[in-house]
Amino acid sequence: GAVVSQHPSWVICKSGTSVKIECRSLDFQATTMFWYRQFPKQSLMLMATSNEGSKATYEQGVEKDKFLINHASLTLSTLTVTSAHPEDSSFYICSARGGSGTSSYNEQFFGPGTRLTVL
Amino acid sequence: AQSVTQPDIHITVSEGASLELRCNYSYGATPYLFWYVQSPGQGLQLLLKYFSGDTLVQGIKGFEAEFKRSQSSFNLRKPSVHWSDAAEYFCAVAPSTAFYFGTGTSLTVIP
Repeated sequence: GAVVSQHPSWVICKSGTSVKIECRSLDFQATTMFWYRQFPKQSLMLMATSNEGSKATYEQGVEKDKFLINHASLTLSTLTVTSAHPEDSSFYICSARGGSGTSSYNEQFFGPGTRLTVL
Repeated sequence: AQSVTQPDIHITVSEGASLELRCNYSYGATPYLFWYVQSPGQGLQLLLKYFSGDTLVQGIKGFEAEFKRSQSSFNLRKPSVHWSDAAEYFCAVAPSTAFYFGTGTSLTVIP
């Protein structure tokens, strides 16, 4: 089946620094990737949708200058949390889906998540 | 407004008992429907999905879900719960390319 990985699985950083999280589709080409944020004991909130080679589309209320998303290839998307602060501490989950006409088009395949702790 | 509702925040069942987790959605047309399970600190695992066709879908780990168009519901069921089923369960709908998740139902299984 389609596998999505994330790296790192856990990161701790100082306030004011930037952190990059990678999301990779390992065995299929991900035309579209999604980034979610999940606070403890809460649901996943969609942050942004990115299509390969295009600018990401951010959900209302998500600061695009703070959460930089790059989807430069069909197997890799990155989320950079710039000038991180303690309130950015959360569980970040990516997902990916394939292109139209592929078996992986109609569903999303989720990565294992990255836990970010900002001190 | 478009929404996904999981009315039960927390459910406790005895091991071996049956389980039903509720999910209702509010969208103009029938979206794609999914159920995911999440263990603490882990990512999401797909249990089952509905796109079209037979309204009763079978998933992994003995789970099934029934789509009822008239009720805009997609409830998850399992006839006999195992202790390892304790986790957080999320219903998700995809009216377009994006997924929208319910608030989740936390399942506790008591021996």
